[in-house]
Amino acid sequence: DQQVKQNSPSLSVQEGRISILNCDYTNSMFDYFLWYKKYPAEGPTFLISISSIKDKNEDGRFTVFLNKSAKHLSLHIVPSQPGDSAVYFCAARDLHGSSNTGKLIFGQGTTLQVKP
Amino acid sequence: EPEVTQTPSHQVTQMGQEVILRCVPISNHLYFYWYRQILGQKVEFLVSFYNNEISEKSEIFDDQFSVERPDGSNFTLKIRSTKLEDSAMYFCASSGVSGGAGELFFGEGSRLTVL
Repeated sequence: DQQVKQNSPSLSVQEGRISILNCDYTNSMFDYFLWYKKYPAEGPTFLISISSIKDKNEDGRFTVFLNKSAKHLSLHIVPSQPGDSAVYFCAARDLHGSSNTGKLIFGQGTTLQVKP
Repeated sequence: EPEVTQTPSHQVTQMGQEVILRCVPISNHLYFYWYRQILGQKVEFLVSFYNNEISEKSEIFDDQFSVERPDGSNFTLKIRSTKLEDSAMYFCASSGVSGGAGELFFGEGSRLTVL
């Protein structure tokens, strides 16, 4: 049951260039999509999210694009910096019940390496 | 900046022993979660907790697992009789607002090693 998939386990880009991380999902009922960044031995850190009713959200160097018809989202980092090197997880929120305690379903992660 | 704190950072235990992992969520948050990540795999949902009861649990969260909010600040995960396959990084998370933008705030994790 892989409702959220990140098909690229790793990505390497040069400093200053654009990093594009991709994510696909299967459940059209997800209401929010999020990107988390994770360093080894640390917890995931929230980066940016997008509502399912939007197609783009931008925050500084980070932009998330959502293509609902393709059930695809992507995270663009421009310009990429060596400090961006980490594992990036795509996640989707699945609301449950009347309490709205939405759980996040994570993809497998993509390891981004930004070379100086 | 408020943060989720977890203890211990690393626990080594023998198979069959009970383990309690502790978490202090962000103080005004109402929704609490446990996730785990087996080495090299994705972060998996275990359980969500709201209004002093479990809201949802995954297939992983069987009868060996339990959660508790014993006071106004702590949120604990207990594994009654650990198995080798319970070895993983366990992350506690919390969120503040029903609905909202969905973000959960995660702690640094507790690494559990079962021998």
